[in-house]
Amino acid sequence: AAGVIQSPRHLIKEKRETATLKCYPIPRHDTVYWYQQGPGQDPQFLISFYEKMQSDKGSIPDRFSAQQFSDYHSELNMSSLELGDSALYFCASSLGDRAVGANVLTFGAGSRLTVL
Amino acid sequence: AQTVTQSQPEMSVQEAETVTLSCTYDTSENNYYLFWYKQPPSRQMILVIRQEAYKQQNATENRFSVNFQKAAKSFSLKISDSQLGDTAMYFCAFMKPWNTDKLIFGTGTRLQVFP
Repeated sequence: AAGVIQSPRHLIKEKRETATLKCYPIPRHDTVYWYQQGPGQDPQFLISFYEKMQSDKGSIPDRFSAQQFSDYHSELNMSSLELGDSALYFCASSLGDRAVGANVLTFGAGSRLTVL
Repeated sequence: AQTVTQSQPEMSVQEAETVTLSCTYDTSENNYYLFWYKQPPSRQMILVIRQEAYKQQNATENRFSVNFQKAAKSFSLKISDSQLGDTAMYFCAFMKPWNTDKLIFGTGTRLQVFP
């Protein structure tokens, strides 16, 4: 079965540089979530999109922006990178419009960003 | 705001034994969903089990079962016949019942299974 695809898997950047992470949800999934997991931390919610519109916003820095495109893939853009941005970034997808049942998120393998 | 608390930072268990991981949460919602996710050393987030708050019956998935106590806002995970492959970080998570709502995670419990 197709899973959530994230790219790149690993990324190394210098301070003040820009990085872009991509997420391709499971086919037919219309909702995408971005989470940030620092070393030894639990995943922190950044932002989510449903049908290409922002549906919720969490602790996402102003330096970060994201969008969901017409093919439902999403990109997380991070500018003016800081050392503290070094983390594992997860994308998850789900089927937002459903009749019943829990909104089960399926996670990608994550993109590891290292800022030097 | 909803909060999820996991009071056991680390647990260990011997292979084939049973272990229980604790989770409590705080919410004013009556309907919601609860999850346990597993994060092995590969860092992949894997769904272990889920529970709908309106269901009284505790969810079970093979060796994994939960003890859901709605009044006490408690949601513990029991792993029976522990295997070496169960070694991982386990996160308890809460979700409101809206279609596109997000997961709120606890701080996790690191489980080590010893041979």
